[in-house]
Amino acid sequence: DTAVSQTPKYLVTQMGNDKSIKCEQNLGHDTMYWYKQDSKKFLKIMFSYNNKELIINETVPNRFSPKSPDKAHLNLHINSLELGDSAVYFCASSQDFQGTASYNEQFFGPGTRLTVL
Amino acid sequence: GENVEQHPSTLSVQEGDSAVIKCTYSDSASNYFPWYKQELGKGPQLIIDIRSNVGEKKDQRIAVTLNKTAKHFSLHITETQPEDSAVYFCAAHLYNQGGKLIFGQGTELSVKP
Repeated sequence: DTAVSQTPKYLVTQMGNDKSIKCEQNLGHDTMYWYKQDSKKFLKIMFSYNNKELIINETVPNRFSPKSPDKAHLNLHINSLELGDSAVYFCASSQDFQGTASYNEQFFGPGTRLTVL
Repeated sequence: GENVEQHPSTLSVQEGDSAVIKCTYSDSASNYFPWYKQELGKGPQLIIDIRSNVGEKKDQRIAVTLNKTAKHFSLHITETQPEDSAVYFCAAHLYNQGGKLIFGQGTELSVKP
């Protein structure tokens, strides 16, 4: 069974289009994340949600809008796609995020490679 | 702001040799340090982690050490095998910032048979 799944795996689209990437986890976790991996393989947090509530929003353009219909799903919608949005997007989940000194292993999905032409 | 520096960016070793990857973090609020292995076309997979109250942890051929005073942590892989070839990332967890993981730049490890 896949713990964290993403669809689609590949997404090729034209500049200016709107697209969505879906993520689902079957681990029963409360916290989900979106990361962006650029062409140099650098991984950077974009958003996190805990039980459908936004926790982290890292200076991401407002063209990116995460949506969490329930705690098992965190989708990423991107409006007016730009060339610079081309990257691999990873969804991850953890049991919790905790504001106190607690630790939470993050499990990553297989990634979605977005190519904007 | 918070930052994790990782070295080297590429590492090539002969099968059976050891490999060491080093990371330095900046934020004292970091309390948990995972290491991820990313194979081509796949997502990062956790291979080992260490908590801030522990100095060393070992799991078969891999070990991690942490020096909180110097803000250094390292990954050691012994008896390397070709299947260890991948990109390795260190990360620092910020418990006071929503559990954010700050990643190092990655090390591309190549193990030659």
